[in-house]
Amino acid sequence: DAGVIQSPRHEVTEMGQEVTLRCKPISGHDYLFWYRQTMMRGLELLIYFNNNVPIDDSGMPEDRFSAKMPNASFSTLKIQPSEPRDSAVYFCASSFEVGNTIYFGEGSWLTVV
Amino acid sequence: QKEVEQNSGPLSVPEGAIASLNCTYSDRGSQSFFWYRQYSGKSPELIMFIYSNGDKEDGRFTAQLNKASQYVSLLIRDSQPSDSATYLCAVNRYSGGYQKVTFGTGTKLQVIP
Repeated sequence: DAGVIQSPRHEVTEMGQEVTLRCKPISGHDYLFWYRQTMMRGLELLIYFNNNVPIDDSGMPEDRFSAKMPNASFSTLKIQPSEPRDSAVYFCASSFEVGNTIYFGEGSWLTVV
Repeated sequence: QKEVEQNSGPLSVPEGAIASLNCTYSDRGSQSFFWYRQYSGKSPELIMFIYSNGDKEDGRFTAQLNKASQYVSLLIRDSQPSDSATYLCAVNRYSGGYQKVTFGTGTKLQVIP
């Protein structure tokens, strides 16, 4: 069975540009998570969805960040406009039920110059 | 106080020795506990999960949970150079459809051949 699939794997963009990260969760998983990882702050939860509905977006840094999940097999995380401090690895993850193991995608490595 | 605390390391152990990784958490209502391994440049992958007080063994790995002391540990027996990675502790509290998953910043383990 395929794991969590993320795209793009790597992106370099200029400050002020829009960035869209994409994720396909594991089939049948009810929960989808977006995490950001940096050396300074570790792994931070940005937002998570349950059955396509956003449940907790308290980790979204500011209005420049938005996330959607239009259906059970697709989610996007958008940054507009991007800033150099947004440079990080963004992980999408999914889990089957509440409290269960979270499975991570391979990550999207974002560099904003 | 951080919600999930881990010693950042590095923890250096000789090949064949036992590596002991520790994690403390602040939320007494936490219900499920996970250890992830993350190699440099890769995504976190699950090593073990534990829900109940006591020990849980899986091959060379043993997870230990003490809810009264709010303490989780991971023992790695017969450590191998391939175990060199950062180990992340994760703690989950959930109710209904809501869950809060918090990761520690990780302990870097170095196994010396």
